[in-house]
Amino acid sequence: NAGVTQTPKFRVLKTGQSMTLLCAQDMNHEYMYWYRQDPGMGLRLIHYSVGEGTTAKGEVPDGYNVSRLKKQNFLLGLESAAPSQTSVYFCASSETGLSGAQPQHFGDGTRLSIL
Amino acid sequence: GQNIDQPTEMTATEGAIVQINCTYQTSGFNGLFWYQQHAGEAPTFLSYNVLDGLEEKGRFSSFLSRSKGYSYLLLKELQMKDSASYLCAVMDSNYQLIWGAGTKLIIKP
Repeated sequence: NAGVTQTPKFRVLKTGQSMTLLCAQDMNHEYMYWYRQDPGMGLRLIHYSVGEGTTAKGEVPDGYNVSRLKKQNFLLGLESAAPSQTSVYFCASSETGLSGAQPQHFGDGTRLSIL
Repeated sequence: GQNIDQPTEMTATEGAIVQINCTYQTSGFNGLFWYQQHAGEAPTFLSYNVLDGLEEKGRFSSFLSRSKGYSYLLLKELQMKDSASYLCAVMDSNYQLIWGAGTKLIIKP
């Protein structure tokens, strides 16, 4: 019963390095999301996707890119990491909202430190 | 702008009742969610309110007043495992979730 799986769980990068965070869900959900969570702040939406092949910007998209080539996978890329991107990153998925708002299901998070 | 307010931290005693409040100002309203997040873990869904009134789920209840932009989460018969952060989130007119910073609940024996 995997649900939403994120890899890696921890990572330390140097400023300027690039990396990709992977998210996979096995619930056949249409919608997927990437959030960051910082101390004293609410979850902030980076990018989201309402279906395979589609992506859209959230509240804080700068410095990040995403791809949704397959329905079950949602990738978050950092092209040139900056210390301000040190955070905990959560991926989430949900069913479509056609019959009303649906709860989001979260992965366990990726703890990313940029030195 | 959009805003969700909830207390930063609350302390309660094992076996007691605690009420965590959430007030919101958002562009539109398509429902309010409560999530629980234990330290170092993922948020997990607790409740959803879209109409005014009280929704009860075992020891947890959630209340909504849309006219007042107000919700609360009521936890009864507190257990040590209820020590966690409780996140309030509102779905706005664009079906985006706007999140509060969370309320850290400390349960003392």
